[in-house]
Amino acid sequence: EAQVTQNPRYLITVTGKKLTVTCSQNMNHEYMSWYRQDPGLGLRQIYYSMNVEVTDKGDVPEGYKVSRKEKRNFPLILESPSPNQTSLYFCASSLLASGGTDTQYFGPGTRLTVL
Amino acid sequence: GESVGLHLPTLSVQEGDNSIINCAYSNSASDYFIWYKQESGKGPQFIIDIRSNMDKRQGQRVTVLLNKTVKHLSLQIAATQPGDSAVYFCAENIAFSSGSARQLTFGSGTQLTVLP
Repeated sequence: EAQVTQNPRYLITVTGKKLTVTCSQNMNHEYMSWYRQDPGLGLRQIYYSMNVEVTDKGDVPEGYKVSRKEKRNFPLILESPSPNQTSLYFCASSLLASGGTDTQYFGPGTRLTVL
Repeated sequence: GESVGLHLPTLSVQEGDNSIINCAYSNSASDYFIWYKQESGKGPQFIIDIRSNMDKRQGQRVTVLLNKTVKHLSLQIAATQPGDSAVYFCAENIAFSSGSARQLTFGSGTQLTVLP
């Protein structure tokens, strides 16, 4: 089944404890992206990647890192999480590198709470 | 700054009626628009899209209308069903620059509730 998977789905952690949220897609998509969703703010893009070893900042990149060593994986890294990073996170992918002319497929989401 | 917004945060309709969800955008350079549906506990799911060279596009029970003059987008759902209850997002897709990646900018969403 074609899908985007994220792990973990739920995570409660403490301030400053490094964490990684994994994202994997099995559709051979070029473009991958991370979003956070907060009440009243919709989805905001954190980072995106047009291809392996090519990543760039979205609208809200502060406090996050990403890597794209393999085409199928795009982990989101929080080196020192803070409470304002408590949010619902979505990974998405789309076929074309531009990420613009075809639809993006979203993962199921990761709910992160930073205490 | 540029933004994509929705006129109403909530919308309640009777089962069987038609639903209309509206969206305003401000970036005149946007040339591709998408509607997503997000059910509780799930990620956004693609519904329908439209390019700026079109005014209307129809899918199964859904129609998207684009008015570039007033920068307005709407999603019409015919014969609304209980399974249509969800949050609906419009998104605009613009290129940062020629040949580069494009950014998907979402509105804040409208909660559609279908009443029995």
